Amino acid sequence: DTEVTQTPKHLVMGMTNKKSLKCEQHMGHRAMYWYKQKAKKPPELMFVYSYEKLSINESVPSRFSPECPNSSLLNLHLHALQPEDSALYLCASSQQILRLLGNEQFFGPGTRLTVL
Amino acid sequence: DAKTTQPPSMDCAEGRAANLPCNHSTISGNEYVYWYRQIHSQGPQYIIHGLKNNETNEMASLIITEDRKSSTLILPHATLRDTAVYYCIVRVENFNKFYFGSGTKLNVKP
Repeated sequence: DTEVTQTPKHLVMGMTNKKSLKCEQHMGHRAMYWYKQKAKKPPELMFVYSYEKLSINESVPSRFSPECPNSSLLNLHLHALQPEDSALYLCASSQQILRLLGNEQFFGPGTRLTVL
Repeated sequence: DAKTTQPPSMDCAEGRAANLPCNHSTISGNEYVYWYRQIHSQGPQYIIHGLKNNETNEMASLIITEDRKSSTLILPHATLRDTAVYYCIVRVENFNKFYFGSGTKLNVKP
């Protein structure tokens, strides 16, 4: 199984709602990532989890709250979002290996989020 | 901070080789060059990566200059399904960080 799955595929939410995005992989990868991608722009790194611990937060606003409950699952909890947060949210995973070796990331299909 | 520079778009005739350039003049000695592509509204797909030697796999070839300041991704026989945005990425020193450049939109035409 070389797949990263993301649910839901599409999500529409109001600015007062609380929702969660889910990501799952069964490749035994111990690094997992959240990216945000606006239309016609490249993906931007948001968070990195390494061995279920948050290792990188790219100064993301606190209305985005990541969670890694186990080595296969990654969640992104959303609260009080703004319309400008509408974007494609991508999850990725990779093996946690030595720095000097290649480290391919596998991406999921993304969740298309619209904030009204 | 993007560490790569790519042309915004390129055209290629179906069946011909597509050569996509990337400049990464500030690359460090232990940083790899990665190539991904993204077909409209899908997740990015890994293509190939390399450190200093040329690399080839079933999808593409990667040619890295001797000074490592630039590279070229070669799709040997482009098909219409290769139409996508191609991203050249330099993996920064903290190996979990991928910073995508602006990418090249490759249009393969019949």
